Amino acid sequence: RKEVEQDPGPFNVPEGATVAFNCTYSNSASQSFFWYRQDCRKEPKLLMSVYSSGNEDGRFTAQLNRASQYISLLIRDSKLSDSATYLCVSDGSSNTGKLIFGQGTTLQVKP
Amino acid sequence: GAVVSQHPSWVICKSGTSVKIECRSLDFQATTMFWYRQFPKQSLMLMATSNEGSKATYEQGVEKDKFLINHASLTLSTLTVTSAHPEDSSFYICSAPEARNEQFFGPGTRLTVL
Repeated sequence: RKEVEQDPGPFNVPEGATVAFNCTYSNSASQSFFWYRQDCRKEPKLLMSVYSSGNEDGRFTAQLNRASQYISLLIRDSKLSDSATYLCVSDGSSNTGKLIFGQGTTLQVKP
Repeated sequence: GAVVSQHPSWVICKSGTSVKIECRSLDFQATTMFWYRQFPKQSLMLMATSNEGSKATYEQGVEKDKFLINHASLTLSTLTVTSAHPEDSSFYICSAPEARNEQFFGPGTRLTVL
């Protein structure tokens, strides 16, 4: 079983739609979680950190449920430029800076 | 934000040759850097942790004699793929944590072994 699991998609949505991505993690000792965005043939870029209290950055909302070991990302009012692969990432309980990446969920926003 | 560079951005080589990839932190010092590999449509997989002034720490299943890592200074780590074979063709990405522990990724190196 992978330590961080995501539905690879693809998710095809029209502009303006709201889309939600889910992610589960198996290591209950994991401390920190993140959503990264990766464009085709590029490096991943940090989208946002994820906290139990939930956090919002503009159209993006991330949520962590430690009891269920579940992380979510909600994108409202999707833009064409949101098309990318979204990577769910944990620190795998390590305090060394290592990151454990999920497979990624591909989003394609259509006009 | 902090910048991490990689060189080369892409390389094509013949089977059996060695390829060196450089990872530099341009405006901050990094005692630790990480090397990842990503195959098409797959996740980034951590290969090793590069430690300035000491040996690298390799993840399970990664051959340390094949993937040589040298962290020569606080701003430079190199990954050498020795005797490369077609199955080593992949996207190699380094990252470095900056002072506030945010990870910054290099732009990646696409390696194709013929």
